[in-house]
Amino acid sequence: EAGVTQFPSHSVIEKGQTVTLRCDPISGHDNLYWYRRVMGKEIKFLLHFVKESKQDESGMPNNRFLAERTGGTYSTLKVQPAELEDSGVYFCASSPRWGGPTEAFFGQGTRLTVV
Amino acid sequence: LAKTTQPISMDSYEGQEVNITCSHNNIATNDYITWYQQFPSQGPRFIIQGYKTKVTNEVASLFIPADRKSSTLSLPRVSLSDTAVYYCLVGDPARLTGGGNKLTFGTGTQLKVEL
Repeated sequence: EAGVTQFPSHSVIEKGQTVTLRCDPISGHDNLYWYRRVMGKEIKFLLHFVKESKQDESGMPNNRFLAERTGGTYSTLKVQPAELEDSGVYFCASSPRWGGPTEAFFGQGTRLTVV
Repeated sequence: LAKTTQPISMDSYEGQEVNITCSHNNIATNDYITWYQQFPSQGPRFIIQGYKTKVTNEVASLFIPADRKSSTLSLPRVSLSDTAVYYCLVGDPARLTGGGNKLTFGTGTQLKVEL
């Protein structure tokens, strides 16, 4: 079974440009999360989808960040316009819908560098 | 979510047993304790989860005392490939993943295994 895949693995863009990150969760996982680590700091939550609906977007830093999950499958995270402080590693994770003790499966991350 | 405290770093040698302790004094009744492992350039990976006493799987053991205010991740006979950052997370699993809520990562413990 394929794991969580993220694309691209690395992206270098200039300040002011737009970048779109993609995440393909494990098939059948309704929960999809975005996290990021910036400037060597702790991994921070950005937002959570249940299928195509945004369940919690309290971690989104500002309105330059837009996440979508049309059709409840893959998700995209767009940064427009990118700023220097957006540099970091963006992780996507997915988990099954049902409750109880379970685990979140993470992708390898997308390293974003804004210059 | 309950705040966790764990050592910033630990050093060990191949073949030794490593025990990483995490303090979570404010753990709630419904909270589980979950440990993740992260290698460089990869996303976090679930290791083990428990509620009380002892849990063991093919990778590690998790010891939780009766008061549940701390927990210890035990890695038997570590190898060089166990060099990674280990995160202790505490929360209600229905909210952590399957039920759908965010994971809160701390600084983690950087384990370095040498020959």
